[in-house]
Amino acid sequence: QKEVEQDPGPLSVPEGAIVSLNCTYSNSAFQYFMWYRQYSRKGPELLMYTYSSGNKEDGRFTAQVDKSSKYISLFIRDSQPSDSATYLCATYQAGTALIFGKGTTLSVSS
Amino acid sequence: DADVTQTPRNRITKTGKRIMLECSQTKGHDRMYWYRQDPGLGLRLIYYSFDVKDINKGEISDGYSVSRQAQAKFSLSLESAIPNQTALYFCATSDAVGSETQYFGPGTRLLVL
Repeated sequence: QKEVEQDPGPLSVPEGAIVSLNCTYSNSAFQYFMWYRQYSRKGPELLMYTYSSGNKEDGRFTAQVDKSSKYISLFIRDSQPSDSATYLCATYQAGTALIFGKGTTLSVSS
Repeated sequence: DADVTQTPRNRITKTGKRIMLECSQTKGHDRMYWYRQDPGLGLRLIYYSFDVKDINKGEISDGYSVSRQAQAKFSLSLESAIPNQTALYFCATSDAVGSETQYFGPGTRLLVL
């Protein structure tokens, strides 16, 4: 089992939809959880970052971590065509390098 | 100017050739990374360096080598390129303190014929 699993999609939604992106991880020692967004022909950029369990909200984006089930989620409200990108979850434990999921490709149509 | 730059941005080479991909950063970060990205396989770590004297192998280091010439420079070499090394290569940096927020370069698209 890979340490971080993520459904690659693709996921297609109409503009205005609520999007749910998910990852699971296997190592309970992971403490930090991130979502990166990658537009076509660009490098990934950090979108959201959370520590341990709980929710974090930033505008239309909400990151959620459930350590009991080892589940990471990213919710996008009122999705826009500009949200069309690949979303990568990532995690790590102190002293190690980041481990990325494979990424989910999202397309939002107008 | 971009904080993390990669050269070249695109490269076509032939099987067996030695090539070098270069990465420079102006963020003052100690940690630097090389990844490759392939469709369906996501980002995979090749090598990483936590400071100038510290080099570590990542998930897929075979066929690659690296050099950390200075805090700001981290180069990736393919000693004898093969077609399955055709991929998109990213350099990234992060601060040694706090979260592992990584800052990525624009990528180098490599085609090995």
